[in-house]
Amino acid sequence: DGGITQSPKYLFRKEGQNVTLSCEQNLNHDAMYWYRQDPGQGLRLIYYSQIVNDFQKGDIAEGYSVSREKKESFPLTVTSAQKNPTAFYLCASSARAGPGNYGYTFGSGTRLTVV
Amino acid sequence: GNSVTQMEGPVTLSEEAFLTINCTYTATGYPSLFWYVQYPGEGLQLLLKATKADDKGSNKGFEATYRKETTSFHLEKGSVQVSDSAVYFCALSARTRTNTGNQFYFGTGTSLTVIP
Repeated sequence: DGGITQSPKYLFRKEGQNVTLSCEQNLNHDAMYWYRQDPGQGLRLIYYSQIVNDFQKGDIAEGYSVSREKKESFPLTVTSAQKNPTAFYLCASSARAGPGNYGYTFGSGTRLTVV
Repeated sequence: GNSVTQMEGPVTLSEEAFLTINCTYTATGYPSLFWYVQYPGEGLQLLLKATKADDKGSNKGFEATYRKETTSFHLEKGSVQVSDSAVYFCALSARTRTNTGNQFYFGTGTSLTVIP
């Protein structure tokens, strides 16, 4: 079955460490997205990529970095510059740039906690 | 600009009660409207959608009608079950302000708890 796989499901980071969250899709979707979700809040867009080797900042890109070397993969690195990284991170994809009439397919998320 | 306003929660209902979660929107052009559901510890799943005015989206007993005149897309279910306990997000897909493409705008989510 096609879908999006995020790993790990739970991740713990020490202060000052960089960590990388994995997102892989086998839907042959062109566009991929990273969102951050905090308790009681909606989703905020971190980065998105509409095509391989290209990506754009979203609303809260500071302290994060991404790469898109392969169509099926869009890893997110949470750097030590992100001062409040504890959150639930969601990866999504769409067949073309933007949700259009079909919306996004979401992964099951990674919960990152700073210890 | 584009935005979605959702009814604040949390909402607690008894099993078999009627559910309404209000959603209103502001958008340029002709957006598509969506409801997503998020179960505890999981990602978002598409529940239903409507792509033009007066369309009704439906799935698993949930319904929502795209009302252009009231700019609303309220989610309803006639008889909720314990298994419906989740967070529900209203979203719209519309052209960006700079017309460079199409983007999602999410509401803040409404938490629903159904008690037996």
